[in-house]
Amino acid sequence: DIQMTQSPSSLSASVGDRVTITCRASQDIRNDLGWYQQKPGKAPKRLIYGASSLQSGVPSRLSGSGSGTEFTLTISSLQPEDFATYYCLQHNTYPFTFGPGTKVDI
Amino acid sequence: EVQLLESGGGLVQPGGSLRLSCAAAGFTFSSYSMTWVRQAPGKGLEWVSAISDNGGNTPYADSVKGRFAISRDNSKNTLFLQMNSLRAEDTAVYYCARCSVTCSKGGVDYWGQGTLVTVSS
Repeated sequence: DIQMTQSPSSLSASVGDRVTITCRASQDIRNDLGWYQQKPGKAPKRLIYGASSLQSGVPSRLSGSGSGTEFTLTISSLQPEDFATYYCLQHNTYPFTFGPGTKVDI
Repeated sequence: EVQLLESGGGLVQPGGSLRLSCAAAGFTFSSYSMTWVRQAPGKGLEWVSAISDNGGNTPYADSVKGRFAISRDNSKNTLFLQMNSLRAEDTAVYYCARCSVTCSKGGVDYWGQGTLVTVSS
């Protein structure tokens, strides 16, 4: 199975900060990766697909990059509504696997 | 607007069975692969199973293989997850989600709100 790791596991930040979250795959997954945001008690919401394409309706301060085994999600200027937990998902090979999550709080 | 509404969750004893349903609306259900993802209380997301548009391909996570069965009824726009031999570690919110046409090619795009399954005596 493909293992996904994320770093950091949590971070504290302030409104306006630039935030970067990294996701690493244990083997090459090309660009078959999505990023998701989840708020407490809510379903996940996709932010990025194909490693770097912005989901419709998602603000442009979010961006994704990477290919192969290393990927990043960047929030250029953190807003109050961005405080949440973020997950990456590889859909290159079954079983699909999620990263363990990164909690972004104040 | 894509809508996914799960039902069928609840409290079940260890060793018992439960069948989850997911009613889909707002898109051509028969053209999309679908998937189930779960989240244990306070934990991360875990992919459970997927099903192709015609039901011909049904991969499973090792943790549920042989106990869970995914299926779909395209005439009723409904996805199912039959869960047998339930264990305490199956306790989780179960999310129904749509894939971007196929799961492998496009990943998972829209999610339902989830249904809670609690396995306890």
